[in-house]
Amino acid sequence: AQKVTQAQTEISVVEKEDVTLDCVYETRDTTYYLFWYKQPPSGELVFLIRRNSFDEQNEISGRYSWNFQKSTSSFNFTITASQVVDSAVYFCALSEDGQGAQKLVFGQGTRLTINP
Amino acid sequence: NAGVTQTPKFQVLKTGQSMTLQCAQDMNHNSMYWYRQDPGMGLRLIYYSASEGTTDKGEVPNGYNVSRLNKREFSLRLESAAPSQTSVYFCASTLLSALALIPSTDTQYFGPGTRLTVL
Repeated sequence: AQKVTQAQTEISVVEKEDVTLDCVYETRDTTYYLFWYKQPPSGELVFLIRRNSFDEQNEISGRYSWNFQKSTSSFNFTITASQVVDSAVYFCALSEDGQGAQKLVFGQGTRLTINP
Repeated sequence: NAGVTQTPKFQVLKTGQSMTLQCAQDMNHNSMYWYRQDPGMGLRLIYYSASEGTTDKGEVPNGYNVSRLNKREFSLRLESAAPSQTSVYFCASTLLSALALIPSTDTQYFGPGTRLTVL
């Protein structure tokens, strides 16, 4: 069975610090996709990134960057120069294909608090 | 476009009562999903519908039923609510067109959630 582990339950940093959220996954599939979602205090889920198992290039989007390493089954997320608006719960997820649908397996989430 | 909408936003039930959570999407997506979110456990898949007319169980289907009413709507029913079903429920959808040979290439879009409390 597929599994996603986010070992960091809560992280608290001071604004402008860099912070990395860890994500470790388990799968027997050779083709799979990894996702990060953000859940701000308002409660909705916001899609951040999707990565496929064949592309190990790091991705950067503004202050956000993602490091995918198949050798360690990790897909970590770094926020550079954090801001208060980054405060949220962040979820890592792994796609599991089944019956023509995309079944997401989520990690437990990491609650990130950025203090001013 | 409203995206994925859910009704109601909040609901309080007594043990044994029944209710239906409604979900609709206006993105012409083929696949729809129901998840529940509990503290410290992330989101878990309850049921999904790969296409209109089909439904399948996810990780935690017990105590729930679903109906894919048409391409736009996917409802989740609690026949006899229990306190263990207190949770936040999210509906999601993906395009998953016939051209998407690998389902995982799609992005799942989520509704705003329904907060359900069962007393």
